[in-house]
Amino acid sequence: AQSVTQLGSHVSVSEGALVLLRCNYSSSVPPYLFWYVQYPNQGLQLLLKYTSAATLVKGINGFEAEFKKSETSFHLTKPSAHMSDAAEYFCAVSDSSGSARQLTFGSGTQLTVLP
Amino acid sequence: GAVVSQHPSWVICKSGTSVKIECRSLDFQATTMFWYRQFPKQSLMLMATSNEGSKATYEQGVEKDKFLINHASLTLSTLTVTSAHPEDSSFYICSANSPGGPSYNEQFFGPGTRLTVL
Repeated sequence: AQSVTQLGSHVSVSEGALVLLRCNYSSSVPPYLFWYVQYPNQGLQLLLKYTSAATLVKGINGFEAEFKKSETSFHLTKPSAHMSDAAEYFCAVSDSSGSARQLTFGSGTQLTVLP
Repeated sequence: GAVVSQHPSWVICKSGTSVKIECRSLDFQATTMFWYRQFPKQSLMLMATSNEGSKATYEQGVEKDKFLINHASLTLSTLTVTSAHPEDSSFYICSANSPGGPSYNEQFFGPGTRLTVL
């Protein structure tokens, strides 16, 4: 069974400050890991994904995440927050060996960017 | 590429009526689609996995007779909420697995459907 834990349901940062959203996973097989962003009343947009290639993954909008197997973590970072980054962020894990490729989502982190 | 649409984007219905939500993969064929439910300020909960040409696989606790899923073609899956009640009010999101290539193992999400049952 797979699971994802997102530490911190709400994170507030000042505009221009570092963004750090935490995600820890549990998986019995090598995982595929994803970060999605959701704006109000919209679907999910993929920010980035880890699929066993490079451990440092760069995504859209200046976000990146590092896969650390020893820490079972996949934290999302952005050097400088922008007001438009305010949204809900979800970390998700998928079983790399599964044919259905189901996603298991974390509980989400609401990011607020303060002016 | 890999665009998923949902229709309608929002719907209001009376209690006891049925509502159908469509999920379409616009530029690729999806043998597998997923239906999620999201309550306000909460994460996505997988309801069922929709497989083209076969019966859907429902998650534990999801009523099969309440939430009817049909995946009749490689580009269309439908979710019908039967005899809707106010507690069925939620945001319903579908997704489809990418067919392969660089986006292999990635799910593409529809924009969601807001259902309000009066």
